[in-house]
Amino acid sequence: DTAVSQTPKYLVTQMGNDKSIKCEQNLGHDTMYWYKQDSKKFLKIMFSYNNKELIINETVPNRFSPKSPDKAHLNLHINSLELGDSAVYFCASRQRQGSGPYEQYFGPGTRLTVT
Amino acid sequence: KQEVTQIPAALSVPEGENLVLNCSFTDSAIYNLQWFRQDPGKGLTSLLLIQSSQREQTSGRLNASLDKSSGRSTLYIAASQPGDSATYLCAVPTGGGNKLTFGTGTQLKVEL
Repeated sequence: DTAVSQTPKYLVTQMGNDKSIKCEQNLGHDTMYWYKQDSKKFLKIMFSYNNKELIINETVPNRFSPKSPDKAHLNLHINSLELGDSAVYFCASRQRQGSGPYEQYFGPGTRLTVT
Repeated sequence: KQEVTQIPAALSVPEGENLVLNCSFTDSAIYNLQWFRQDPGKGLTSLLLIQSSQREQTSGRLNASLDKSSGRSTLYIAASQPGDSATYLCAVPTGGGNKLTFGTGTQLKVEL
């Protein structure tokens, strides 16, 4: 029944490693997002994909590479992890085309800790 | 550039009190405004989405109002309960509606 799911929920890793976070939505939405919530709890957009095409890349370092194999999945791969990457990463989705109401639905988040 | 702010940053009230959370945005040309709730260590739960053509939206004890011209929205919580304790976030679509810009959040604590 979960609408937007993410794995893993927690991720602890060392600096310099490469890691991936997976996201899946079963709402039939055509648009998916990655947001980052920093230590001060501020949420900011990172990427947005519509029908598997990148439509927003919010000046995120190119160590972050999103991949959308299909409309229901948007994964986030991070290379050469740095201490400053520690945050909670949220996946979200919404239906962009059609009559609305265009609400965004969020996953439970992945808490990434880089040591 | 759209900026969204919320006041107060934190609020502590006794159970049963009615309360109002405020959200302000600098660019009034918005499609809608969404209110979310975030529990500690959890994801975001959408509470209400109010369209730009609407002035109010209600769900149970929650009522959201929108005044586009003044760049403000309020979330009214009636008869607050300890279970309402959470951080409340407002967000507006930006970038042609392709992303959400979030406010700074109000951390609410409802005490017994």
